[in-house]
Amino acid sequence: KNEVEQSPQNLTAQEGEFITINCSYSVGISALHWLQQHPGGGIVSLFMLSSGKKKHGRLIATINIQEKHSSLHITASHPRDSAVYICASGGSNYKLTFGKGTLLTVNP
Amino acid sequence: NAGVMQNPRHLVRRRGQEARLRCSPMKGHSHVYWYRQLPEEGLKFMVYLQKENIIDESGMPKERFSAEFPKEGPSILRIQQVVRGDSAAYFCASSLVKWISYEQYFGPGTRLTVT
Repeated sequence: KNEVEQSPQNLTAQEGEFITINCSYSVGISALHWLQQHPGGGIVSLFMLSSGKKKHGRLIATINIQEKHSSLHITASHPRDSAVYICASGGSNYKLTFGKGTLLTVNP
Repeated sequence: NAGVMQNPRHLVRRRGQEARLRCSPMKGHSHVYWYRQLPEEGLKFMVYLQKENIIDESGMPKERFSAEFPKEGPSILRIQQVVRGDSAAYFCASSLVKWISYEQYFGPGTRLTVT
């Protein structure tokens, strides 16, 4: 059974700080997803990656397949980045297994 | 190109009533997934459907819940005789299957409140 663990559960930062959120999974996967959810809002897919690194604006996602670990980085954080960040692993089939999320609060 | 659409966005039902949640996938997508997010919990897979077929409903509660994805029209998640424990956010996602992995696009969710 695939388990997905995220850390930290809660993260508070000052505007401008560099943020890292970690995700570990227990079984081999074909893709790792990073999602963003604003309070009371919908879910936005940020990244889907199966190897290496992807960058979009101030967001960077990396994955280490051997170590079964992924990180989401936010450079020059801003209050509008405040949200829940969720990682989800996808195996050889369609099912996604989700972490419980990391609540990020960026203070001005 | 419209994204995944869900309606209603908010739904209030009294105990014992029926709830119908609709999901229109992205244009060209024929695969739909339903997820439930209970308060203070992570997202959980409920059911995976293709047009006119239920592929995997292993995450669906055995009673009162059903899902369909007809040839025409949106996918429907139906909850009969709702109870307070059904209060949650229900998200659907759709995908165009790719050979290497399944990129899923999420809708805005329906927040069901049972009073």
